[in-house]
Amino acid sequence: AQSVTQPDIHITVSEGASLELRCNYSYGATPYLFWYVQSPGQGLQLLLKYFSGDTLVQGIKGFEAEFKRSQSSFNLRKPSVHWSDAAEYFCAVGARGGSYIPTFGRGTSLIVHP
Amino acid sequence: EAQVTQNPRYLITVTGKKLTVTCSQNMNHEYMSWYRQDPGLGLRQIYYSMNVEVTDKGDVPEGYKVSRKEKRNFPLILESPSPNQTSLYFCASHSQGSLYGYTFGSGTRLTVV
Repeated sequence: AQSVTQPDIHITVSEGASLELRCNYSYGATPYLFWYVQSPGQGLQLLLKYFSGDTLVQGIKGFEAEFKRSQSSFNLRKPSVHWSDAAEYFCAVGARGGSYIPTFGRGTSLIVHP
Repeated sequence: EAQVTQNPRYLITVTGKKLTVTCSQNMNHEYMSWYRQDPGLGLRQIYYSMNVEVTDKGDVPEGYKVSRKEKRNFPLILESPSPNQTSLYFCASHSQGSLYGYTFGSGTRLTVV
């Protein structure tokens, strides 16, 4: 079974600074990988996804993520954070074949200081 | 507009009083799931369904029931709610082999007193 770990519960950055949120997964083959964002009081919104091909994936809102097989990681990055990026971020992994039901990490709360 | 609709958004109930949270999607998706979200625990899957009349337990199914009589609807039933089921609940759907990730509902905040 697949699993995903987000090592950081909270991350605090200043507005305009760069951001990297960590995600490590466990799966026997190349998984499907996702990043979701949850703004306060809202449901989850898909930011980006990786299935195959180019390991650097571009998403919405200026986010990108890089799949590194050797490190079993799929870290989310943004070069310059805006105050509106303050939210909860979830990494998710889905198994290839079968139901594609994703497993979510516990989330990382992003705090943005002005 | 493609969406997953959950109702109600907020619900306060008493211990033991049966309740149903509805979930409906208009995208003809085969897969639907229920998650609960608790502080520090992230999202945990309660039940999922791969199609009409096909459901299976997720990670935390105790105290919950589901049914999938129609493709668009996937209600979550709490037969005898208890305070430890106080949580934020999300319904989500995606198409078979979709690779596009889930579409989530806006959530239901349930408080059991």
